[in-house]
Amino acid sequence: SQTIHQWPATLVQPVGSPLSLECTVEGTSNPNLYWYRQAAGRGLQLLFYSVGIGQISSEVPQNLSASRPQDRQFILSSKKLLLSDSGFYLCAWNDRGSGNTIYFGEGSWLTVV
Amino acid sequence: AQSVTQPDIHITVSEGASLELRCNYSYGATPYLFWYVQSPGQGLQLLLKYFSGDTLVQGIKGFEAEFKRSQSSFNLRKPSVHWSDAAEYFCAVVAMEYGNKLVFGAGTILRVKS
Repeated sequence: SQTIHQWPATLVQPVGSPLSLECTVEGTSNPNLYWYRQAAGRGLQLLFYSVGIGQISSEVPQNLSASRPQDRQFILSSKKLLLSDSGFYLCAWNDRGSGNTIYFGEGSWLTVV
Repeated sequence: AQSVTQPDIHITVSEGASLELRCNYSYGATPYLFWYVQSPGQGLQLLLKYFSGDTLVQGIKGFEAEFKRSQSSFNLRKPSVHWSDAAEYFCAVVAMEYGNKLVFGAGTILRVKS
């Protein structure tokens, strides 16, 4: 069966420090991959999506970047974190086999201090 | 562009009472619609989905939703709410363009009182 792993689960980072959140999917090939952010008291915002290795689409201008070095690996990064980057980050993948249902990882809590 | 509206930010119901969470979408073609639930500090769990066919879809945990094209709605219902249903609920539509992105509503927080 397919599974999605996301880490770290929680992270406290100082302003100006770098960030790397990783996400891997198992049990499928060539999935669409997504990074969402959920800021406190706000809904879910799509940050990036990828339809293949090295193919990244950005939805909103921001201090973050994404990369897909392997088929089932999706990385969210920042060179210098801002306070406003704090939030709950969710990785997700698209199961084309079940009609484009999107499944989510367990999320990563980022607090920038 | 696709959009989803959940008009109720908070809803409080008594345990055992029925529940209906509202969702309206904006999309030009037949939408792919979803309901997700999120418990505090957790990821999102898929409750149910609608792609085509029967407009009344059954999901997990006793939830169901009805697709009404004429009203552009996909309301979530449960006949008898349990305290464990307290969570935040998100309605979403797949943007059928490059990437099949999910567009979410703002969410509805459900509180259950005993």
